[in-house]
Amino acid sequence: QKEVEQNSGPLSVPEGAIASLNCTYSDRGSQSFFWYRQYSGKSPELIMSIYSNGDKEDGRFTAQLNKASQYVSLLIRDSQPSDSATYLCAVNRYSSASKIIFGSGTRLSIRP
Amino acid sequence: DGGITQSPKYLFRKEGQNVTLSCEQNLNHDAMYWYRQDPGQGLRLIYYSQIVNDFQKGDIAEGYSVSREKKESFPLTVTSAQKNPTAFYLCASSKTIGTDTQYFGPGTRLTVL
Repeated sequence: QKEVEQNSGPLSVPEGAIASLNCTYSDRGSQSFFWYRQYSGKSPELIMSIYSNGDKEDGRFTAQLNKASQYVSLLIRDSQPSDSATYLCAVNRYSSASKIIFGSGTRLSIRP
Repeated sequence: DGGITQSPKYLFRKEGQNVTLSCEQNLNHDAMYWYRQDPGQGLRLIYYSQIVNDFQKGDIAEGYSVSREKKESFPLTVTSAQKNPTAFYLCASSKTIGTDTQYFGPGTRLTVL
């Protein structure tokens, strides 16, 4: 089992719809969770961090965390073509507190 | 203007050569990291440093070396022992090690000729 798992996609969503990206993790002691967006050929940029169970909203983005189910998701409302990118989920590895583990990413495509 | 810089943007290496990738940050962060990304893959940790003059191996350290002589700088050397070095290399930093958000530089794309 991978430490951080994401569906590789591509996930195709019509413009204006809600895109839902999911991530599961294996380390039950993990405390910090991050979503990064990476455009092709560019470096990852932070979208959101979340540390507590529940929802956290920032503009069109909502991160959801459920530690009991070891599940974190990212919702993108009113999807725009500029949201087309790969989204990386990252989780800290509690058993080795110095490392954050990245999933392999979900490729999102917003179709006009 | 705070941030992380990496140079060069593109680098070509001949077989048997060592090459050094530069990473500089002016965010006053204690922790710095090097990752490797292969096409369609996630990020894999090569080395990390919690503080000046200290660094630790990550998950794929073989064939790489680093130094941390200054807080701002964390150069990565790709040695000839790294058999498949063609990849996108990303440097990151965070305020402290562990749970803090990591911020990335623009990356260096290394190609072996």
